[in-house]
Amino acid sequence: NAGVTQTPKFRVLKTGQSMTLLCAQDMNHEYMYWYRQDPGMGLRLIHYSVGEGTTAKGEVPDGYNVSRLKKQNFLLGLESAAPSQTSVYFCASSWDFYEQYFGPGTRLTVT
Amino acid sequence: AQSVTQPDIHITVSEGASLELRCNYSYGATPYLFWYVQSPGQGLQLLLKYFSGDTLVQGIKGFEAEFKRSQSSFNLRKPSVHWSDAAEYFCAVGSNSGYALNFGKGTSLLVTP
Repeated sequence: NAGVTQTPKFRVLKTGQSMTLLCAQDMNHEYMYWYRQDPGMGLRLIHYSVGEGTTAKGEVPDGYNVSRLKKQNFLLGLESAAPSQTSVYFCASSWDFYEQYFGPGTRLTVT
Repeated sequence: AQSVTQPDIHITVSEGASLELRCNYSYGATPYLFWYVQSPGQGLQLLLKYFSGDTLVQGIKGFEAEFKRSQSSFNLRKPSVHWSDAAEYFCAVGSNSGYALNFGKGTSLLVTP
């Protein structure tokens, strides 16, 4: 039982490049979330999903898109990366949208 | 909207000493409250949660927290800290009207020998 996994663990992008972060969970959770963590800012919600085929905006959605085509996967896309998107990205999943289980994170640097 | 304040950015305690990390929330109704711990380079792990009932909740790794409505607080405590407790601690609040958790900015705990 791997829990929540994230791919890749590290990535360096140049401004304007695009990329997709993959989150996978094997706990059959309905709810999935993408957060970003910045020093002194705690975690801020980017987007979330309440089930397969659904997505919704969180606190800081601008510059990101998401998709949940399969229940176990939640993808976060950056269409045109900016230095302000340098951050650590965490995916989480939950049964009941409260007890969230977190992945190990993806450290993204945009130069 | 609900919000969380963790007044202490950094705390240093000696190994074996007691610990209290402060968390204050702002929410009109009964909040759902959580404490998470993040070890260096790791994701977040749930320590404990409060939804209702007994205001003193026990968690993993010997931690406990007390919900005090009159003070809008949910402080995390441990009687005797171990060196392995050094980590970042986050308080979070949720509600029954939304899906998101609002996290505090975190308290970094350093444990000295």
